[in-house]
Amino acid sequence: AQSVTQLDSQVPVFEEAPVELRCNYSSSVSVYLFWYVQYPNQGLQLLLKYLSGSTLVKGINGFEAEFNKSQTSFHLRKPSVHISDTAEYFCAVSDRGSARQLTFGSGTQLTVLP
Amino acid sequence: EAGVAQSPRYKIIEKRQSVAFWCNPISGHATLYWYQQILGQGPKLLIQFQNNGVVDDSQLPKDRFSAERLKGVDSTLKIQPAKLEDSAVYLCASSLWTGGLGELFFGEGSRLTVL
Repeated sequence: AQSVTQLDSQVPVFEEAPVELRCNYSSSVSVYLFWYVQYPNQGLQLLLKYLSGSTLVKGINGFEAEFNKSQTSFHLRKPSVHISDTAEYFCAVSDRGSARQLTFGSGTQLTVLP
Repeated sequence: EAGVAQSPRYKIIEKRQSVAFWCNPISGHATLYWYQQILGQGPKLLIQFQNNGVVDDSQLPKDRFSAERLKGVDSTLKIQPAKLEDSAVYLCASSLWTGGLGELFFGEGSRLTVL
C-alpha cells in the first residue's frame, strides 16, 4: 500500500514569487508519481507525471517537479507564480502493479496574492 | 473531444434518503473510476471498472453504496440510505487503460450534501 503526505495545507505567496509545494510518499514498491491541480468547482487536471528516466519533470503552466528516491519526495516548483495559479494542488502515487490505482495526498491550497 | 460528464452537479438530501449519480466517460476509455472527496481531503477511490467488470471495490461501503457500469460505457453510483458523513464531492474519472501510464481525466464532480 502507498501513502502520500503533503506537508503544507495552505501556501500563500505573492505574485511573481517562486513557490514550492512539498510532497512525500511511502511505498514498499516502485511507483509512478503525479501532480494534479483543481480549480474551484472543477475536476482535477493533470499537471505532470514521473514514470521513469530523468528525475526532473516539466509540466503545463510552467510547473516542474523533481523526483528524489532517497528522500521519497516529489516536490512541485514554479519560479514565478501568477494570480491564475490559485488552486488546490494534489500529489498522487500509483504502484507499478496491474491495478495502478492513484492514492492522493490531502492537498495544498496555493493562494497567489497581488 | 468531450470530457467526462457527470450529473447532477449538486444534490441536497436528508439522511436516510437515496441518491444516484451518473457518469459518462470519454468515448473509448475502458477504465472508469469513482472517487469520494470529502472537504479538506484528497480524493479516495471507491470503485474501479475495466469495461463493465469491477477491478477493485475494496473501499466501497457495500452496505449502502452500489455502482454499476452496464455495457461498459456509462456508470451510476447509488447511495441508499445516505448518512451525514456521505456529504462529499463524488468524482468520476476515466482513462484509456488501467491507471499508471494512462492519464486519468476527471469530471467536474457531483456535490452531495446530506442534512
